[in-house]
Amino acid sequence: SYELTQPPSMSVSPGQTARITCSGDLLPKKYVYWYQQKSGQVPVLVMSEDNKRPSGIPERFSGSSSGTMATLTISGAQVEDEADYYCYSSYDSGDLWVFGGGTKVTVL
Amino acid sequence: EVQLVESGGGSVQPGGSLRLSCAASGFTFSRYWMTWVRQAAGKGLEWVANIKEDGSEKFYVDSVKGRFTISRDNAKDSLYLQLNSLRAEDSAVYYCARSGDLVYWGQGTLVTVSS
Repeated sequence: SYELTQPPSMSVSPGQTARITCSGDLLPKKYVYWYQQKSGQVPVLVMSEDNKRPSGIPERFSGSSSGTMATLTISGAQVEDEADYYCYSSYDSGDLWVFGGGTKVTVL
Repeated sequence: EVQLVESGGGSVQPGGSLRLSCAASGFTFSRYWMTWVRQAAGKGLEWVANIKEDGSEKFYVDSVKGRFTISRDNAKDSLYLQLNSLRAEDSAVYYCARSGDLVYWGQGTLVTVSS
């Protein structure tokens, strides 16, 4: 099988920049998607195809991918950005998919 | 407005079965792959299975192969997940989502496997 690796947690002060990483051997060839999940809520897509921000997602969210690492950046993190963040990508000819383990982002 | 509504969850003993359903509306269901994702209590998201638009291709995470079956009825705009030989570790909230970018998710249905 295939794995995407994320740091379990990180903390950032309000207004600072949070960079959430996701590493995987196939990322040079596969898109990464990012989801935000607040406590008790359904996941929300915050970044598509490495760096495409869906409608309604604040501009402070941006994405990038280089080599085997993808990064979701929150520039000027807000208290409401406190959540779990998951990366998601495909493997095995795109037929199978996997989530990263998730990163709990604390903004305080 | 796109809506995905899951149903069919519940409590079952180990070795038991359940059939989850997902009713889709607000988009042309037959034109999209569909996905099931699960999340155990306090744990991360896990991709479970997906199915091609016409149901001709199906893929599963290794841990459920041979026990779970994904299917769909395009005439009813519905997605299904048959869960057999259930284990305690299958206990989770099960979400259906529109495949690809998973921009649309249902609210989830809870499956509890316990004796």
